[in-house]
Amino acid sequence: AQSVAQPEDQVNVAEGNPLTVKCTYSVSGNPYLFWYVQYPNRGLQFLLKYITGDNLVKGSYGFEAEFNKSQTSFHLKKPSALVSDSALYFCAVRGLTGGGNKLTFGTGTQLKVEL
Amino acid sequence: DGGITQSPKYLFRKEGQNVTLSCEQNLNHDAMYWYRQDPGQGLRLIYYSQIVNDFQKGDIAEGYSVSREKKESFPLTVTSAQKNPTAFYLCASSISTGNLNEQFFGPGTRLTVL
Repeated sequence: AQSVAQPEDQVNVAEGNPLTVKCTYSVSGNPYLFWYVQYPNRGLQFLLKYITGDNLVKGSYGFEAEFNKSQTSFHLKKPSALVSDSALYFCAVRGLTGGGNKLTFGTGTQLKVEL
Repeated sequence: DGGITQSPKYLFRKEGQNVTLSCEQNLNHDAMYWYRQDPGQGLRLIYYSQIVNDFQKGDIAEGYSVSREKKESFPLTVTSAQKNPTAFYLCASSISTGNLNEQFFGPGTRLTVL
């Protein structure tokens, strides 16, 4: 079975400071990893994904994520946080088990960026 | 949310009633999905469909039913057998069932049982 852990329910950051939202995963075989963002009462928006290749993945809105196979982590980062980045962030993983295109999501991390 | 529409945005249901949530996509995607979101639990997969006239149960299918008669439509029925249906329901689609493809989400329907 595949699983995702987001150990922090909430992360608070001052605007202009770097931010990190943590994610660790467990999956059989090679992982396919995704980050999504959700604003209040909205659907999820895709930020970035890791399939293979460079361990540092760049995505939308200045976000990037670093894949670390030895630590089974895929932390989301941004060099300089904005107040508008405040939202709920989900990490998701898919492995090679089963059929279809089933994603397993973490429980989400609420990011709050303050002035 | 572009390309995937869900209706209604808010839905109220009395206990014992079945309700159907609509999901339509104009992205020409083969695969479609239904998730349920509860506070602190992330998203849980209810049903998914890889192609027209085919669908599979996800992790929490009990009390729900779906159909996939058209490529662009994947309605979800919440039946009276669902014990705790109050939640935020999200529909998603992807180009195919390949592992490389991200899913695109609709804006969601918030269902409240009165």
